[in-house]
Amino acid sequence: GAGVSQTPSNKVTEKGKYVELRCDPISGHTALYWYRQSLGQGPEFLIYFQGTGAADDSGLPNDRFFAVRPEGSVSTLKIQRTERGDSAVYLCASSLILGGTSGSSYNEQFFGPGTRLTVL
Amino acid sequence: GNSVTQMEGPVTLSEEAFLTINCTYTATGYPSLFWYVQYPGEGLQLLLKATKADDKGSNKGFEATYRKETTSFHLEKGSVQVSDSAVYFCALRPSQGAQKLVFGQGTRLTINP
Repeated sequence: GAGVSQTPSNKVTEKGKYVELRCDPISGHTALYWYRQSLGQGPEFLIYFQGTGAADDSGLPNDRFFAVRPEGSVSTLKIQRTERGDSAVYLCASSLILGGTSGSSYNEQFFGPGTRLTVL
Repeated sequence: GNSVTQMEGPVTLSEEAFLTINCTYTATGYPSLFWYVQYPGEGLQLLLKATKADDKGSNKGFEATYRKETTSFHLEKGSVQVSDSAVYFCALRPSQGAQKLVFGQGTRLTINP
């Protein structure tokens, strides 16, 4: 079946502009995650959704970053007043519904190919 | 806090060589540990995992054992192939019900024929 897809694959913008990055998760996956990967580094967690709500947004670096998932499927990561330091690959992942009430089980996160954002 | 440290790359080996990529972690409680792989032009894929101390994860000839006493999860393969060339990431999922992953910086592996 289709995997996680992200659009656009590349985005070049100018400092101060607004950008939106889109993620289409695997059908039926209720959990969705955003990560940011700077050059030569591992992915850093930004935010994760369980259904329509943000269950953990502790990784968002500041209030210029915002993400939505209005219908519990597609998600959009929005960055206002972009800065050169925002340049990175933005990764999206999705997983099946979490199991149990304690959250102790793990459901594999399936990653998309990423959107490479370049802020000039 | 939670963090993962991997051996620095790049690592270059000849085909059929033995591979070890070191990974150590810092975490409160009892995290789950993972190795992810990113092949050229592809997205991150889960390679193997271990959810508790002394567990061994294995897949595609790769193995890693969760060592709580040394806070390590080193990746090993007895005989590497050219097709194993990729970037490998060690990661942890903090305990206490967290779902986010904390990644190391990645190790680029190149296997020469």
